[in-house]
Amino acid sequence: AQSVTQLDSHVSVSEGTPVLLRCNYSSSYSPSLFWYVQHPNKGLQLLLKYTSAATLVKGINGFEAEFKKSETSFHLTKPSAHMSDAAEYFCVVSESGGYQKVTFGTGTKLQVIP
Amino acid sequence: DAGITQSPRHKVTETGTPVTLRCHQTENHRYMYWYRQDPGHGLRLIHYSYGVKDTDKGEVSDGYSVSRSKTEDFLLTLESATSSQTSVYFCAIRWDRGYEQYFGPGTRLTVT
Repeated sequence: AQSVTQLDSHVSVSEGTPVLLRCNYSSSYSPSLFWYVQHPNKGLQLLLKYTSAATLVKGINGFEAEFKKSETSFHLTKPSAHMSDAAEYFCVVSESGGYQKVTFGTGTKLQVIP
Repeated sequence: DAGITQSPRHKVTETGTPVTLRCHQTENHRYMYWYRQDPGHGLRLIHYSYGVKDTDKGEVSDGYSVSRSKTEDFLLTLESATSSQTSVYFCAIRWDRGYEQYFGPGTRLTVT
C-alpha cells in the first residue's frame, strides 16, 4: 500500500522569502515521486520528478525537492518566492510497473504576500 | 503540452440524466486515466485504460463507466448523474516508458 501526506494545507510566505512545502510518503516499493502545481481554474502541471536517480531533483521555475529515504520525505523548496508561485501544490507517489498506481496528496495552497 | 483535450469544458446537468465526458489525445499514448478533484481530497482515480478496450476500475469507480474504442479517445460516462458527482474531472496520459502523468485542462461538471 502507498500513501502520501502533505503536512500543511496552507502555507503563507512573503515575496522574496524561501518556500518549503512538506510531503511524507509511504510505499512498499521503491517509489517514484512527483510535485505538480495547479494555478486557479487550471490543469495540473508537472514541476519535478524523482525516479531513483539523483536524490536532489531540480524542476521548473526554480523549484527543487530532495528525496530522503530515511525520513520518507520529499519536500519542495524554492529560495525566493514570486507572486506567480501562488497556487496549489500536490505531492504524488507512484509505484512503478503495471498500470502504475498513483496516489495524490490532498494539496498545499501557497499564498505569496507582496 | 501533451496534446490532451477534454470536452465539454463546462457542463450543468440535472440529477438522473446521463452524461458523457470525452478525453482526446493526439500522441498515441497507451495509458489513459480519469480522475475527479474535490476540495480536501486531491485527485482520486476513477478508471484507467491500458489499451483499446482494456480498462479497469480505480478507487472511486461506483456510478461511472468508461470506454475506449480508439487509442485517442477515452470516454467517461455517468449513467445517472447524482449531486455527489459534481466535481472537476481530469483526464491524464502516461508515456509508455515514463512514470509521470500529463493532464488535460479539466471539465467542470455541476449536477443540480
